[in-house]
Amino acid sequence: DSGVTQTPKHLITATGQRVTLRCSPRSGDLSVYWYQQSLDQGLQFLIQYYNGEERAKGNILERFSAQQFPDLHSELNLSSLELGDSALYFCASSVAGSDSYGYTFGSGTRLTVV
Amino acid sequence: DQQVKQNSPSLSVQEGRISILNCDYTNSMFDYFLWYKKYPAEGPTFLISISSIKDKNEDGRFTVFLNKSAKHLSLHIVPSQPGDSAVYFCAASARGGGADGLTFGKGTHLIIQP
Repeated sequence: DSGVTQTPKHLITATGQRVTLRCSPRSGDLSVYWYQQSLDQGLQFLIQYYNGEERAKGNILERFSAQQFPDLHSELNLSSLELGDSALYFCASSVAGSDSYGYTFGSGTRLTVV
Repeated sequence: DQQVKQNSPSLSVQEGRISILNCDYTNSMFDYFLWYKKYPAEGPTFLISISSIKDKNEDGRFTVFLNKSAKHLSLHIVPSQPGDSAVYFCAASARGGGADGLTFGKGTHLIIQP
């Protein structure tokens, strides 16, 4: 157990629907990162939050949004889902806001869009 | 445009021998490099890192070499053990530029044969 908790582990939904993925960071970590891993692709950085504020944006689609709550857990919202959104979504956390070294990843949410 | 490339999707090595995983990058702003290891159904786990001011970093059986002029890094595992069988991701960051979020390669599946 890495200390980063992601729920649900698996999600199957239809095209056009909206889903929410949840992440609880490791205790004491203020920064949360979201990554997408599609088939045959590396991990694509989506977005980072630090202590409730958006810190950096990567290749995140406009149909996707995220937030970090006062208790530091984060949610990634995916809407108007398409078949191509099927992927593994990982959350990672770190202590500081710019500390690539200290990433701890969760075990991911596997999203299947049918 | 892939900024971090791992050109070998898979690598098979005999137990006890040296495993060498390679990674190339194109962005000259990258100044911090990391290797992550991933088992099936788990998130990536941090393995070893190197700053651009160094050309070598060692941690037990794992050594990372950085050749900045060639924009190339490699991970050496000596001796290779069955538990090393996993997917290895190379990642890079432009920390000096204040950017957050790691850029990952697509990974190399290392198979250690008995």
